[in-house]
Amino acid sequence: GAVVSQHPSRVICKSGTSVKIECRSLDFQATTMFWYRQFPKQSLMLMATSNEGSKATYEQGVEKDKFLINHASLTLSTLTVTSAHPEDSSFYICSAREGRTGQYNSPLHFGNGTRLTVT
Amino acid sequence: GESVGLHLPTLSVQEGDNSIINCAYSNSASDYFIWYKQESGKGPQFIIDIRSNMDKRQGQRVTVLLNKTVKHLSLQIAATQPGDSAVYFCAENSGGGADGLTFGKGTHLIIQP
Repeated sequence: GAVVSQHPSRVICKSGTSVKIECRSLDFQATTMFWYRQFPKQSLMLMATSNEGSKATYEQGVEKDKFLINHASLTLSTLTVTSAHPEDSSFYICSAREGRTGQYNSPLHFGNGTRLTVT
Repeated sequence: GESVGLHLPTLSVQEGDNSIINCAYSNSASDYFIWYKQESGKGPQFIIDIRSNMDKRQGQRVTVLLNKTVKHLSLQIAATQPGDSAVYFCAENSGGGADGLTFGKGTHLIIQP
């Protein structure tokens, strides 16, 4: 089955530094990947849609300069949390869908998430 | 705005019993639904999906029921096992060019020995 790998699984950083999270589709190509954020005991909130070869689409209220997304290849998307602050501490999860962009009636496959702690 | 929600935040069942997790959705344009299982510290894991042209779909020990009349979705897990303990999310996709899924609030299923 489709596998999405996310790295790192945990990261601790100091306020003001930047952190990069990688999301890879291991056995399929993904023209579109999605980044979610999850707070403890809450549901997943879509942050942005990462499009290979073009700019990401951000959800309302998500700062694009804060959360930089790069989707340079069909198997890799990265999320960089810039100038991190304690309130950015959260569980970040990426996902990807097999198939062509716009073929939305197929399940998303998720990575195992990245626990970010900003001290 | 329209959203997907769940009736119960926590569900506790005895090992071996069947469990039913419910989900209400309000977006009548949604035409594809998925159930995910999330264990602590991990990403959501696909369980089963259903399209709006169906009202029932079965997998291994799991069944998803869709009632479009009342906009209700349920996940039935038969003969629950300790490994079924997790948070279960329903998710919907209303199409219209939006590829991202909208997730419900989640139900924490606890399997008691």
